[in-house]
Formats: sequence, structure tokens, C-alpha cells
Amino acid sequence: AIWMTQSPSLVSGSTGDRVTISCRMSQGIRSYLAWYQQKPGKAPELLIYGGSTLQSGVPSRFSGSGSGTDFTLTISGLQSEDFATYYCQQYFSFPWTFGQGTKVDIK
Amino acid sequence: QVRLQESGPGLLRPSQTLSLTCAVSGGSLNSDADYWTWIRQPAGKGLEWIGRIHSSGSSTYNPSLRGRVTMSLDTSNSQFSLELTSVTAADTAVYFCARDRVLLPHNFLDSWGQGILVTVSS
Repeated sequence: AIWMTQSPSLVSGSTGDRVTISCRMSQGIRSYLAWYQQKPGKAPELLIYGGSTLQSGVPSRFSGSGSGTDFTLTISGLQSEDFATYYCQQYFSFPWTFGQGTKVDIK
Repeated sequence: QVRLQESGPGLLRPSQTLSLTCAVSGGSLNSDADYWTWIRQPAGKGLEWIGRIHSSGSSTYNPSLRGRVTMSLDTSNSQFSLELTSVTAADTAVYFCARDRVLLPHNFLDSWGQGILVTVSS
């Protein structure tokens, strides 16, 4: 299985801050990476697929970059509704696997 | 907009079989572009992909579950199911069903059920 390391596990920010989350893969996965946002007690929601393609309806302050083994999710201008946990997920090979999650909380 | 809803027993004894159903509305289980997926999340922990099934009958499971998993589709009732045998406390989790949409060359989980908590306890 492909393993991923997300960092940091926790990031504290204030409204308006720029936040970056990293996801490093145990092997190259081209651009076959998605990002999800999960709020407490809710199902995850798709933000980005293909490493950088924004899912329809997702605000443009979210962006993704990277390919191969290193990927980044950036939130440019943190909003109150963005405080949540974020997961990366690879779909390059089975089994699909997720990162450990990064919690974004209020500073 | 497709909607998914999990149902099934919330409490099991060790060694029993977990059986969950996901009802799908607003979409077709017969879509070639979609796989129907189960994912679970132990309390306070990350997400684990259990497997997926396609209307063609093709299915793929996570090897970590060591052959305990079976998924099936019931297109006439617009639902799909998960069976996990010989459960232990380690199988206690919130179980989500989701749609795995194929937009070549990409896959993404774009619609999720709300999740159902399954507890395994004696």
C-alpha cells in the first residue's frame, strides 16, 4: 500500500491567514491525489482532485499543487467555516489510502 | 444531486457479521462512471478505504481486511451493501458509503452518506 505523511497534524490560524498543508507519498503517484475537508460529526467533502482541480462549488481560496510524491493544499484567506480537518487521499493504486489528517483550528 | 444514506444495526457482538446498506437517490447505480464505495473511521482517527463495487460486478477490497469483506449491488432497489464477517472491537467505527466517480484519468469521492456508527462490544 502507498503511505502518506501529512504535516503538520495541527495548525492554528486566524481569519485571513494563509495556511499550507503538506502531503508526502511513499512513492510517486503522478497527480492522482484528492483533498477532503471534514467537520466534526460530518462526512468528508471533496475539495480538490487531480492534485489541483477544484471541485465544483468549492471556494477559490482553496488551491492544490504538486505531483509525484509531494503535494500541498493551500487556503488563502482562512474563513471561519474553514476550521476543520483536512485529508489527502491517493487513487494511484489500490487500496486507496488517506493521510492522517491535519486539523486547522482557531489560534 | 445524488444522495446516499446508510442503514443497519448499530451494535454487534464480537464474531458477528456486520451488514450495512446504502440507499442511493438522485443517481443511478448503473452508471458506468461510478463505483460505490465504503469507508470507515474509528472515533478520533483517520479514514480507511474498505472497498468499492461497480455495476458490472467488478469489486476491489482492501487487503487489510483479510477476506472478511463482501459488497453487493441491488440496482432494482437502488442500494448497495457491505458485509464484514467475524467482527472485533477493532471494527468499531463510523461507516460511510460514498460515490467514487470516474472522470478519466481521475477518481474522486464526490458524494458521501452521513455515516453510521457501528459498535462491536460484548
